Parts: sequence; C-alpha cells; structure tokens
Amino acid sequence: GAGVSQSPSNKVTEKGKDVELRCDPISGHTALYWYRQSLGQGLEFLIYFQGNSAPDKSGLPSDRFSAERTGGSVSTLTIQRTQQEDSAVYLCASSFVQGVETQYFGPGTRLLVL
Amino acid sequence: DQQVKQNSPSLSVQEGRISILNCDYTNSMFDYFLWYKKYPAEGPTFLISISSIKDKNEDGRFTVFLNKSAKHLSLHIVPSQPGDSAVYFCAASGGNFNKFYFGSGTKLNVKP
Repeated sequence: GAGVSQSPSNKVTEKGKDVELRCDPISGHTALYWYRQSLGQGLEFLIYFQGNSAPDKSGLPSDRFSAERTGGSVSTLTIQRTQQEDSAVYLCASSFVQGVETQYFGPGTRLLVL
Repeated sequence: DQQVKQNSPSLSVQEGRISILNCDYTNSMFDYFLWYKKYPAEGPTFLISISSIKDKNEDGRFTVFLNKSAKHLSLHIVPSQPGDSAVYFCAASGGNFNKFYFGSGTKLNVKP
C-alpha cells in the first residue's frame, strides 16, 4: 500500500549549504506534520499543515527553516545555511483528520551536516 | 526543556515476561497520551493511547496506565515477545492536537 514516503532517505551536506527534504503524504490526508529527532532526543515538533489553513510554524527552531505544502499534498522542508546541529532524522507524518491516533509516519530522512 | 521524559534509554526482558516502560511529564495541561513503536529505518507507528479521564486502557497484550497525580504513565506488555523489540516513544498533547510532545524513547529488547 502507499504509505507516507520521504526523500532522500539519507543526505550528507556541508555546513552552510541549503537542503530540501521532501514528504509525500498518504493520498487524501489533509494534515501533515514535520518532526525532527536529534540523537538521544525525542521527536521534536516542527510544523503542521491542515488543509488550506495557515500552517502552525511554532516549532521551527530558526528562520533558516521553512516548509511548504503545494496543492495540499507534497511538502518540502527547506533548511538554509545548514549547521552541524541540524543533523538529525527528519520525520514527516500525515493524517486524514486532525488527530494523533491516525498519524502515519514516513521512514524519515537522515541528515548529516559535516 | 523536555516536558515528556523517558528516563530509561533501554530495557531488556525475557520472552514471556512483562515489559514495563515508563514515562513522566511535567505539564499538568496534558490530557491525551500515546505510545508509539519504532523499528529501525521505519517511522513510528501508533500503538495505544489514553485520555486523562481514564486511568487504564487495554488492547490485547498492551496496557497503558495513567497516574495523573504523579504525572506518570506506563506501558505494560504481557507476555513480551521477541517481535516487540523496538524503540517505544510516549507522547502527550494538551488538547491542541496539532502539537505533541515526545519522550526520547526506550529501546526494548525481548530475549528469546
């Protein structure tokens, strides 16, 4: 079945470069979430999209982070001028309705900033 | 400032015995709690939840207990199976379902 997919699965970049992480949610899911998991930490909420509403960006750690969701489907998380502390696994999840039980997570993108 | 804490990074249990995973939280506004299970190279999958109006929720081998006064919840797995070996995350929400706070996870190893 078509679950949440994320690309790339792994990304190695140099400090100061920009990266784009992609999330393809499950078709028809209106809610989309981005999380980050740093080494030894829990999942850190980054941003939330729900339908056509303005996204909740309250979890973005700095203005170097931004995210878009085009056409209510695919989402791109962009990190500008990457820093070593940005190294983490970035997880995307989607749900049909706003709610936690129905969240389906993708496999994540492992980002390493050298 | 971690509002949800899992103080045991790992737990090892013999097959057939009980696994008890613990989670503590600091925010008294949290009213909905969940457990997720994560295998390597996969995203977390929802396991079981509990709302603050209950103190216990059971689903097969999995039971979650909530102690609101202690701000503590636990996940019991009985009997434990080798396939249960994974990282378990607890998460909490304060009624605003677009924001969840996750613990750092406990890696469970069930030995055959």
